[in-house]
Amino acid sequence: NAGVTQTPKFQVLKTGQSMTLQCAQDMNHEYMSWYRQDPGMGLRLIHYSVGAGITDQGEVPNGYNVSRSTTEDFPLRLLSAAPSQTSVYFCASSYSSGQGAYEQYFGPGTRLTVT
Amino acid sequence: AQSVTQLDSHVSVSEGTPVLLRCNYSSSYSPSLFWYVQHPNKGLQLLLKYTSAATLVKGINGFEAEFKKSETSFHLTKPSAHMSDAAEYFCVVSDASGGSYIPTFGRGTSLIVHP
Repeated sequence: NAGVTQTPKFQVLKTGQSMTLQCAQDMNHEYMSWYRQDPGMGLRLIHYSVGAGITDQGEVPNGYNVSRSTTEDFPLRLLSAAPSQTSVYFCASSYSSGQGAYEQYFGPGTRLTVT
Repeated sequence: AQSVTQLDSHVSVSEGTPVLLRCNYSSSYSPSLFWYVQHPNKGLQLLLKYTSAATLVKGINGFEAEFKKSETSFHLTKPSAHMSDAAEYFCVVSDASGGSYIPTFGRGTSLIVHP
């Protein structure tokens, strides 16, 4: 199993450009999530999905869109990049390990810089 | 509502001495609690989890944590630090509030290990 894969690993965008961060998992997990990590802030949830065709907003959804057409893929779209979106982005997939505990598996991250 | 507080942003220890990383949580429901580790420029890896079974939880690499409901704490310990333990550690709480198990991350504790 490859686990959770993310592409690209690094990306530099100009303000106003759009792009899609790719995320795929091969573990047949129901849940998938996107986080951003900023220094001193921990991980903050952007969007999540509880299954194909179902998505919802997390703590910091503004400026980002997601879709989940298959169980495996969960792309994150930046519609019009802003310098405030400079961050490291992590995708995670999860399953219930019993009694509601959703153990998460993380991808290696995408480091995005917006100039 | 759920929240988690990691009481130290940085912890510095000498190799071979004990490690204590402190985490307090708040939850309206029976929570699930996790510790994740992130080595530099890597994704997050699960260290251990608590899911209302045994209150003393053992994880990988010699780490363990004790769930103390009366103190709302879930501190991470290791008897003897190794240089390879130097990393960022995140405490995470998840409960059924709102009908879904959306996790909340602490802001992280950076563990520094001196030779």
